[in-house]
Amino acid sequence: NAGVTQTPKFQVLKTGQSMTLQCAQDMNHEYMSWYRQDPGMGLRLIHYSVGAGITDQGEVPNGYNVSRSTTEDFPLRLLSAAPSQTSVYFCASSYSQGYQETQYFGPGTRLLVL
Amino acid sequence: SQQGEEDPQALSIQEGENATMNCSYKTSINNLQWYRQNSGRGLVHLILIRSNEREKHSGRLRVTLDTSKKSSSLLITASRAADTASYFCATDTGRRALTFGSGTRLQVQP
Repeated sequence: NAGVTQTPKFQVLKTGQSMTLQCAQDMNHEYMSWYRQDPGMGLRLIHYSVGAGITDQGEVPNGYNVSRSTTEDFPLRLLSAAPSQTSVYFCASSYSQGYQETQYFGPGTRLLVL
Repeated sequence: SQQGEEDPQALSIQEGENATMNCSYKTSINNLQWYRQNSGRGLVHLILIRSNEREKHSGRLRVTLDTSKKSSSLLITASRAADTASYFCATDTGRRALTFGSGTRLQVQP
């Protein structure tokens, strides 16, 4: 299994541009989530999904959209990038009830917004 | 503010010594998890302890949980240079998501 994969690994955007961060898992996990990690800080939850077709907001959802059309994929869309969105983004998944189980993390996407 | 806060923020020890990190949280929890992050990498799950458990072991790791004090500790015994990483606690508060602390940076000197 490839586990949780994320693309791209690194991206530079200009303010106002939009882009989609891709996340995929091949473990048939129901629960998927997106976090951002800023320097010297822990992870903050952006959005999560408990199954295909179901998404919900986390702690810092503003400026981001998600959708979950399949079990495998959970893309994160930046609608109009801002410098405050410069961060490292991690996708994670777990079998179910994500808050009660081990989370499997992807390698991360480093985003720089100029 | 963060639900989980690790202490100390940074820790430097010699190889072979034990490393202890602490995590405090504010609200009641269903479980608490510890993760490790090597520089520039994603997080890797280490251990999960449920609210009705007091201690758990996994290899050189020992985790304790004191729900009355709302705190947990992670002990790494006989540390190795390869243990150098950041360690995070994460709590489940029943809101269908994990809340992470800001982490402890551990440096193990060879």
